Amino acid sequence: GAGVSQSPSNKVTEKGKDVELRCDPISGHTALYWYRQRLGQGLEFLIYFQGNSAPDKSGLPSDRFSAERTGESVSTLTIQRTQQEDSAVYLCASSLGGGSKNIQYFGAGTRLSVL
Amino acid sequence: GENVEQHPSTLSVQEGDSAVIKCTYSDSASNYFPWYKQELGKGPQLIIDIRSNVGEKKDQRIAVTLNKTAKHFSLHITETQPEDSAVYFCAASEPSNTGKLIFGQGTTLQVKP
Repeated sequence: GAGVSQSPSNKVTEKGKDVELRCDPISGHTALYWYRQRLGQGLEFLIYFQGNSAPDKSGLPSDRFSAERTGESVSTLTIQRTQQEDSAVYLCASSLGGGSKNIQYFGAGTRLSVL
Repeated sequence: GENVEQHPSTLSVQEGDSAVIKCTYSDSASNYFPWYKQELGKGPQLIIDIRSNVGEKKDQRIAVTLNKTAKHFSLHITETQPEDSAVYFCAASEPSNTGKLIFGQGTTLQVKP
């Protein structure tokens, strides 16, 4: 598997619970992005990691959202005290480096349903 | 910040016909414009992209045109096939060193056999 891998593929949770979503980028890709896709909508940028630089968190919608990345490998997106409006597909992408000269490759996403 | 508008939201064509999807962007400093195809239950896949130093790019049945003055770019699919049916997204790279993409709302293309 040379592509971006995300787990779980589906997650159903109850309102108020915390959830953790995982992304394994393509090996060697130093840049990693999280996006959110609400039903029937385009993708919204959430957060960007590049190497050891401070992440760009400008897209996180509230302080209930946070993400971490270990070095240049796996990343986890955590949503605390989930709300129904958090229901969406969460997509991860990786690229060889940051900036617009590198293509972003997407995983299949995690579909989150908050009941 | 950058804003991307995409039209139409749905498009239905007969097999063999051409399909055109149009996008506009707001930030004249944006310099990279990819197009992604998303099939049901899958992540977006890049099908073609264009950078601001060229006006047109072709790859077999797919072409993209860019008008920097008008801040428009378009996807053209010729000789459409049923397997082209999917949701298509345009995007513009926000002019920063992150390369984060600002996406349009998507176009659902249906190719009828």
